[in-house]
Amino acid sequence: DILMTQSPSSLSASVGDRVTVTCRASQSINNYLNWYQQKPGKAPKVLIYAVSTLQSGVPSRFSGSGSETDFTLTISSLQPEDSATYYCQQSYTTPHTFGQGTKLEIK
Amino acid sequence: QVQLQESGPGLVKPSQTLSLTCTVSGGSISTGNYYWVWIRQPAGKGLEWIGRFHTSGSTNYNPSLKSRVAISVDTSKNQFSLELSSVTAADTAVYYCARERQWLAYWYFDLWGRGTLVTVSS
Repeated sequence: DILMTQSPSSLSASVGDRVTVTCRASQSINNYLNWYQQKPGKAPKVLIYAVSTLQSGVPSRFSGSGSETDFTLTISSLQPEDSATYYCQQSYTTPHTFGQGTKLEIK
Repeated sequence: QVQLQESGPGLVKPSQTLSLTCTVSGGSISTGNYYWVWIRQPAGKGLEWIGRFHTSGSTNYNPSLKSRVAISVDTSKNQFSLELSSVTAADTAVYYCARERQWLAYWYFDLWGRGTLVTVSS
């Protein structure tokens, strides 16, 4: 299985901050990398797919970058509603695997 | 607008079989180029991909569960189902059904059900 490792596991930031979450795959996954946002008690919601393509309706403050094994989710100006857990996921091969999650708290 | 809804028992006894159904509304489960997927999440933990069924009829399962899992489809009811046999407490989780769609060569989960909690306990 491809292991997806996110860092940090948690972080706290202020409204307006620029926030970066990283995701590393245990082998090259080309651009088969997606990001999801999950709020407590809710199902995950796709933010970005294929590394950098923004899902319709997702605010433009979210962006993604990277290639091969190293990927980044960036929130350019943190908003209160961005408090959530973020997961990366590879769809390069089955079983599809997720990172362990990054819990983002607003100070 | 396509929606997914999980249903099934919330409590299953150890060694028994967990059975869940996902009802798809607002669209046909048998048309289009989609995978219909089951994912689970133990309380306070991360997401685990269980397996998927493609509209062409192919299935893929997580090797860690493969000997215990089966996904089937009932096109007449627009539903797909999960069966997980010989359950233990480690199978206690929120179970999600989801749709996986393709954009160019890439696949991602674009629709999710709300999830249903299944507890394994005697």
